[in-house]
Amino acid sequence: AQSVTQLDSHVSVSEGTPVLLRCNYSSSYSPSLFWYVQHPNKGLQLLLKYTSAATLVKGINGFEAEFKKSETSFHLTKPSAHMSDAAEYFCVVSDVSFTSGTYKYIFGTGTRLKVLA
Amino acid sequence: EPEVTQTPSHQVTQMGQEVILRCVPISNHLYFYWYRQILGQKVEFLVSFYNNEISEKSEIFDDQFSVERPDGSNFTLKIRSTKLEDSAMYFCASSSPYQGHTEAFFGQGTRLTVV
Repeated sequence: AQSVTQLDSHVSVSEGTPVLLRCNYSSSYSPSLFWYVQHPNKGLQLLLKYTSAATLVKGINGFEAEFKKSETSFHLTKPSAHMSDAAEYFCVVSDVSFTSGTYKYIFGTGTRLKVLA
Repeated sequence: EPEVTQTPSHQVTQMGQEVILRCVPISNHLYFYWYRQILGQKVEFLVSFYNNEISEKSEIFDDQFSVERPDGSNFTLKIRSTKLEDSAMYFCASSSPYQGHTEAFFGQGTRLTVV
């Protein structure tokens, strides 16, 4: 079964400094991986996705993530944090059921990013 | 850009009452999902739905839950007799096999509060 592990439940950075949110996955086949962001009392917004094309994926708002198969990682980075980046971030892997043929998403436990002025 | 819409955005109900959460998936999508997020916890899969039947469900999705696609556009989640622990944000999602299911599109969620 697929799974993801988000290594940090909370990350604090100062505004203007780099952001690193870590995610490791477990998959028995080539996975599709995603990062979603959730601002307080809001829904889930897709930041970026990896679907077996380029290993360095660029997303919205200056975020990017690199798929590293050898490390089974898909860490999210941003060169310079902005106050508006403060939110909960979820790493997600898609899981396919070979019996039903349907997909579902497996969410990590989330990382709360705090940006200090 | 097409989007998944959910109504209502917030629902308050008394324990034991039935609630129906509504979703309009993206029009050419064929697979539909419900997820829930209890406050402060991770997003959990509840159920997937295809071709007018449940494809897969989690252990959370017990007999108190049901899903329906009543009219070809709406996709509903019914909780028969709500419990306090059903209080959560419920997300609807849809995906398309023609896009390889590489992305599920999520609605903005319905916050259910059981009192």
